[in-house]
Amino acid sequence: KAGVTQTPRYLIKTRGQQVTLSCSPISGHRSVSWYQQTPGQGLQFLFEYFSETQRNKGNFPGRFSGRQFSNSRSEMNVSTLELGDSALYLCASSPRGGALSSGANVLTFGAGSRLTVL
Amino acid sequence: TQLLEQSPQFLSIQEGENLTVYCNSSSVFSSLQWYRQEPGEGPVLLVTVVTGGEVKKLKRLTFQFGDARKDSSLHITAAQPGDTGLYLCAGGRGSQGNLIFGKGTKLSVKP
Repeated sequence: KAGVTQTPRYLIKTRGQQVTLSCSPISGHRSVSWYQQTPGQGLQFLFEYFSETQRNKGNFPGRFSGRQFSNSRSEMNVSTLELGDSALYLCASSPRGGALSSGANVLTFGAGSRLTVL
Repeated sequence: TQLLEQSPQFLSIQEGENLTVYCNSSSVFSSLQWYRQEPGEGPVLLVTVVTGGEVKKLKRLTFQFGDARKDSSLHITAAQPGDTGLYLCAGGRGSQGNLIFGKGTKLSVKP
């Protein structure tokens, strides 16, 4: 079955612009999580959506937002881009939402969208 | 403060050598996952451990979860160039719906 698809794969923006990234989860997966990956901070959790509702949110400013559609596809938006927003943005889907603590609910990641802010 | 500390940060070895990478925390985790990420790709799950003291083997890879569920290790026997990549540990806690990731160990295995 098809994996997690993220678009676009690469994009370049300038400071102050806004960007929208898209994620199509594995068919049947209802939970989508977003992570930001940078060399200095590693992977940091942005938010998780399940059945069109945001269930968890990381410690990022309000410029970072997301949504999920009825077909489970998700988008994230970053407004008023800053140089520090340059990163690889990873989307991951899982069959169901909620706690990953048990280990039973695992994440499948997409290849990411690499954003460069000039 | 990084909740999950991975060491070493970088490791460059020759094909055939053995290696161990570590993932340590002062916090207890309900589960610990290990991922490998190759350039231009997202992380791929290797294993999940959930019981303190648990040991899992995946071909040449051996994963261990500490008795107190605060640390984990990944041991690779007879490393091959195909093992090259970024190894990430990630912990799940309580009812939180997200994983906490370490910064990773970048492994390079030279032929």
